[in-house]
Amino acid sequence: QVQLVESGGGVVQPGGSLRLSCAASGFAFSAYDMYWVRQAPGKGLEWVAVVSYDGRSKYYSESVRGRSTISRDNSRSTLYLQMVSLRDADTAVYYCARRNYLDWWGQGTLVTVSS
Amino acid sequence: DIQMTQSPSTLSASVGDRVTITCRASQNINSWLAWHQQKPGKAPKLLIYKASSLESGVPSRFSGSGSGTEFTLTISSLQPDDFATYYCQQYNGYLLSFGGGTKVEV
Repeated sequence: QVQLVESGGGVVQPGGSLRLSCAASGFAFSAYDMYWVRQAPGKGLEWVAVVSYDGRSKYYSESVRGRSTISRDNSRSTLYLQMVSLRDADTAVYYCARRNYLDWWGQGTLVTVSS
Repeated sequence: DIQMTQSPSTLSASVGDRVTITCRASQNINSWLAWHQQKPGKAPKLLIYKASSLESGVPSRFSGSGSGTEFTLTISSLQPDDFATYYCQQYNGYLLSFGGGTKVEV
């Protein structure tokens, strides 16, 4: 059974940093592009970043570009999102998801940026 | 960037109703469109991909149609479990984008 489990969320001060993780199991992780999607409280879904199956290609939304780094460790079947210079607007539930049409989602991890 | 426009933003319906949600893309995305269902406090769930392909395990009352820039999600007979928010999502390339969502309520 496919499973995606996010961790690393929490409360962080404006300007702070955080690293989110997504542990994958039940499928050949190294064969799939992986995505981060976020959802601010009471708002819709927003694509954040993508990394190709081999880690060579990475793309970011304009809202996080320059402040975020997506990476993966295929030997550990784990996806990461490093975020720095966090802002109030980054407060959201962060989901990892598999492949471009997002056929599997994790349960999400809440990031709260607040002083 | 490709903008996705969904309508309506809220839809009032009753059990047994036929429900249609529309999604429009700002440029041609062929059939690279998915629909997701989200319930409060839960992760989204894939319903439809490639505009009209039903994801495994999804009830057949859900169907999708369209290509190019105009797409629809139809629920043929609304069930109690279907009251939720629905999002369209384009995947014409690595950069994804979502519609604003349609909340289906009583």
